[in-house]
Amino acid sequence: NAGVMQNPRHLVRRRGQEARLRCSPMKGHSHVYWYRQLPEEGLKFMVYLQKENIIDESGMPKERFSAEFPKEGPSILRIQQVVRGDSAAYFCASSTGTDLNEQFFGPGTRLTVL
Amino acid sequence: AQRVTQPEKLLSVFKGAPVELKCNYSYSGSPELFWYVQYSRQRLQLLLRHISRESIKGFTADLNKGETSFHLKKPFAQEEDSAMYYCALGGLRGGKLIFGQGTELSVKP
Repeated sequence: NAGVMQNPRHLVRRRGQEARLRCSPMKGHSHVYWYRQLPEEGLKFMVYLQKENIIDESGMPKERFSAEFPKEGPSILRIQQVVRGDSAAYFCASSTGTDLNEQFFGPGTRLTVL
Repeated sequence: AQRVTQPEKLLSVFKGAPVELKCNYSYSGSPELFWYVQYSRQRLQLLLRHISRESIKGFTADLNKGETSFHLKKPFAQEEDSAMYYCALGGLRGGKLIFGQGTELSVKP
């Protein structure tokens, strides 16, 4: 089991461009969580998805950010019209949803906005 | 509001010394507390959780509901313990985790 996969590992965008971050959960996991880590801060919850459903998006900024977890393929976190303040490490975690809160984390995508 | 506080950004000890990484939480419900560790160039991984009451790599943590704390302890630190440690609060709706800011543990030879 390769674990949670995220790509790209590093992403550089100019202000105004779109950023797409991908997360492939562990085999057998149908629950995906996205977290953001700003410089010098801890991880902050953004969104929780199950296949084809957004369960909790209480941590998502109201504008420019969206997430999906389609029936087939990875979960995608999309940031439109990126700004410098979006520069951060974005982590994805997955779980089976049965073993209480045991989340397995990916290596993260480091987004740099120029 | 739910919150996790790790007051120390950096903790530096010598090999063989005891270590305690502090974690305090704020939550009105029934908390589930976790410690995650991130070694250099590796991904975040679960170290231990209070419900299992395990000792992993010599680390233990006791949930103190009276003091709303979940401090991580090890009696004799090893150099390979050097890493970032994150305390996390679970038991929330949907299973999300609330993380503290992290403490960097540096164990010197």
